[in-house]
Formats: sequence, C-alpha cells, structure tokens
Amino acid sequence: GQNIDQPTEMTATEGAIVQINCTYQTSGFNGLFWYQQHAGEAPTFLSYNVLDGLEEKGRFSSFLSRSKGYSYLLLKELQMKDSASYLCAVKLGGSYIPTFGRGTSLIVHP
Amino acid sequence: KAGVTQTPRYLIKTRGQQVTLSCSPISGHRSVSWYQQTPGQGLQFLFEYFSETQRNKGNFPGRFSGRQFSNSRSEMNVSTLELGDSALYLCASSSGEGLNEQYFGPGTRLTVT
Repeated sequence: GQNIDQPTEMTATEGAIVQINCTYQTSGFNGLFWYQQHAGEAPTFLSYNVLDGLEEKGRFSSFLSRSKGYSYLLLKELQMKDSASYLCAVKLGGSYIPTFGRGTSLIVHP
Repeated sequence: KAGVTQTPRYLIKTRGQQVTLSCSPISGHRSVSWYQQTPGQGLQFLFEYFSETQRNKGNFPGRFSGRQFSNSRSEMNVSTLELGDSALYLCASSSGEGLNEQYFGPGTRLTVT
C-alpha cells in the first residue's frame, strides 16, 4: 500500500511560521493535495502539486520534491483560526482517487 | 453554486441494523467518492462512482455498498451494522477528470450502539 507519513501534532505561536511535512512512497505518484479540516467540519482544499517546486497562495505555500517523495505545507503569519487538522493526500498512477494521510493536528496558541 | 449536501447529518443505529446515507454533489460534477473517517484510522476511501458506475473501490467488506443515480446523486448503504462502523462518513464531489479537486460535504455522523 501507499504509506503517507505526517506528524501527528504540532504547536505554534500566533504570528509565527510553521512547516508541516509529508512523506510518501514515490511509486506511481501522480499528484499531491493538502486539505484543511477544522474540528467537526469537512476537509477543504488548500493546494495541489504535481510538479517539483513551491506553490504560493497567500499565507499558505506548498512544496513538492517528487524524487524525494516529500512535500511540505508552509503557513505564515499564523492566526488562531489556523488551528485545524492538515491532511496530505497522494494520487497514484491512473487513479483519480487520492490516498489520505492521517493528518497533522496544528494547535496555534497566543 | 450550491455545495455538496449530505443527509442525514446525524444518525444513531443499533448493531445489526442497516443504514442508507445520501449525498448530492455540486451541480455538474459526475464523480462522487465516499470516505469513512475515524480518529484511529483517519480518512479511508470506500468507493467512487462516476456516471452511475463504480469506478474505484477501497478495502471495505461487502456490507458497504453504494450506487449513483442519473442526476449524480449517490447513496451509500451499510448492512448488518457493527460497533466499529461508528464514524463520520464523508462524501466528496469532483468533476471526475483532470485535476479532480474534491469538494467535501459536511458528513454524516453515524453512531452504532
């Protein structure tokens, strides 16, 4: 199967920068998503990477290295509302369906 | 555009019963995927329907089944419920092609007692 590894939990201070890492087995890789999920709510799409490099979207950026099987989500100028679970999901081969990691619970404190 | 809707939002059932959950995708989306989310296992893929056909299937027992109608609405059925089926069931809608960015519904919280 496809192993997708993320840290279980991270904490950070309001206004700071945090980087959430995701590693995956590279065989058949065909794209990587990041989703945000607040407690009790549905996941919402943040970013999609299929080529190497950094994609920036406001305070959030996502990076991909296909050869290393590695991605990270970078959150800048953290706000309290960024406290949520961040899910990394990988598409394999010809499948349109991403496989999700277990998520990283981010706690932002004042 | 209206988002993905799921009904019911909350459900309590007894072991051995069966349950049907419903999902209406975003207008124009032909793909509907179902996921089970639990604290221990995270988001696990159940199956995907595209244009009324099951296109992908996860590793769940045959008690879990689904279907999709011509208007792209989808239903998921779980028979002979077990305590371990207690979870948040999420439906995701997408075009089914290309990027296939998924839009999730609010989920149905199923509790089996």
